[in-house]
Amino acid sequence: GAGVSQSPSNKVTEKGKDVELRCDPISGHTALYWYRQRLGQGLEFLIYFQGNSAPDKSGLPSDRFSAERTGESVSTLTIQRTQQEDSAVYLCASSLGSRGAQTEAFFGQGTRLTVV
Amino acid sequence: QKEVEQDPGPLSVPEGAIVSLNCTYSNSAFQYFMWYRQYSRKGPELLMYTYSSGNKEDGRFTAQVDKSSKYISLFIRDSQPSDSATYLCAMITNAGKSTFGDGTTLTVKP
Repeated sequence: GAGVSQSPSNKVTEKGKDVELRCDPISGHTALYWYRQRLGQGLEFLIYFQGNSAPDKSGLPSDRFSAERTGESVSTLTIQRTQQEDSAVYLCASSLGSRGAQTEAFFGQGTRLTVV
Repeated sequence: QKEVEQDPGPLSVPEGAIVSLNCTYSNSAFQYFMWYRQYSRKGPELLMYTYSSGNKEDGRFTAQVDKSSKYISLFIRDSQPSDSATYLCAMITNAGKSTFGDGTTLTVKP
């Protein structure tokens, strides 16, 4: 596809379950970012991948959160033992080049996670 | 205190009005200043970005950055109902660390 694709669009899960969110970046984009957006708030940085370099995980809120990306392809964000405070929209973005190119990042439509 | 504070809104204006959206920040390391538009249940869409201080114009949109005051603005001229959305400011340091404002929801009434 032409844009960043995220799946699922919506996910309702029970507290304590694990969830996996998927992001398909724009082809050729080496940089990939995950953000969390709580209702009525801005984007909170979670993790950044650049090619085959070690990811910047400094934004992950706890060890229940992890993400993987193989090369320049699909990324998955996993949340283990979900809690109600994990309810949010999880957004993925990708861009060409380095982290400074966030000014040219394209976002997916997000995955709306609801933990009940 | 948050690194980036955005006027909370919501803002409601009549069609054709000039809209001013504003953010202040505290981190002097921010070098890139962006404005995103986010429609309901969609991802943010980049409108404009500015490097360091100055103005940038794109059609009906003008972005201003005043680094001495740590203040940025987005002006929308001749606002249209299609401009109704949440507007997010965002800032990036040279090291690539990004911080977003909480957004201002704008409604333009026909």
